Amino acid sequence: AQKVTQAQTEISVVEKEDVTLDCVYETRDTTYYLFWYKQPPSGELVFLIRRNSFDEQNEISGRYSWNFQKSTSSFNFTITASQVVDSAVYFCALISNFGNEKLTFGTGTRLTIIP
Amino acid sequence: GAVVSQHPSRVICKSGTSVKIECRSLDFQATTMFWYRQFPKQSLMLMATSNEGSKATYEQGVEKDKFLINHASLTLSTLTVTSAHPEDSSFYICSARVPPTGPSTIYFGEGSWLTVV
Repeated sequence: AQKVTQAQTEISVVEKEDVTLDCVYETRDTTYYLFWYKQPPSGELVFLIRRNSFDEQNEISGRYSWNFQKSTSSFNFTITASQVVDSAVYFCALISNFGNEKLTFGTGTRLTIIP
Repeated sequence: GAVVSQHPSRVICKSGTSVKIECRSLDFQATTMFWYRQFPKQSLMLMATSNEGSKATYEQGVEKDKFLINHASLTLSTLTVTSAHPEDSSFYICSARVPPTGPSTIYFGEGSWLTVV
């Protein structure tokens, strides 16, 4: 069984503030992949990042950064200098059996950036 | 640009009618596609796995006869909601693995908003 927990249901921050979205996962497999997706109001799911379980290097892409900690089973996402366009629902997801290809999603975090 | 395309993006249908949603892989062949359903302010729930040339695999609790899935070609999967009712109103979204083999990333279509009146 696998599970993804996004404890933060909604977050609001003022523009230009930094914000971290938490993601905690559970899986018995040693090989797994973690994903983050952004879902703006229009509904489409925008792929942000994929990380495999053997790569614990943190990653930075512009204002986005991800902190993968296997010891705590967490894959947190930080947006620095937030902008109004960052307002969306963000989903963390997991595949623990890659041949299975079934994504397990967290419940999502609704992020609102206040101008 | 999009690698998985869905159509229509929005559809309104009357109760009792059927509606078809298409999911296409662009510039690649997808032997497997996935269909999800999302209720307002909720997470995505996997409905079924669409397999090219064979029957779809449905998740527990999903009515096979109501949600017909056809994966007739390597670039197209369709979801038909039969005898639609207002409770079927939802956001439906498909996904595919790109590339189809090896380490890859899962991309989603744009989604389809279905409203049954």
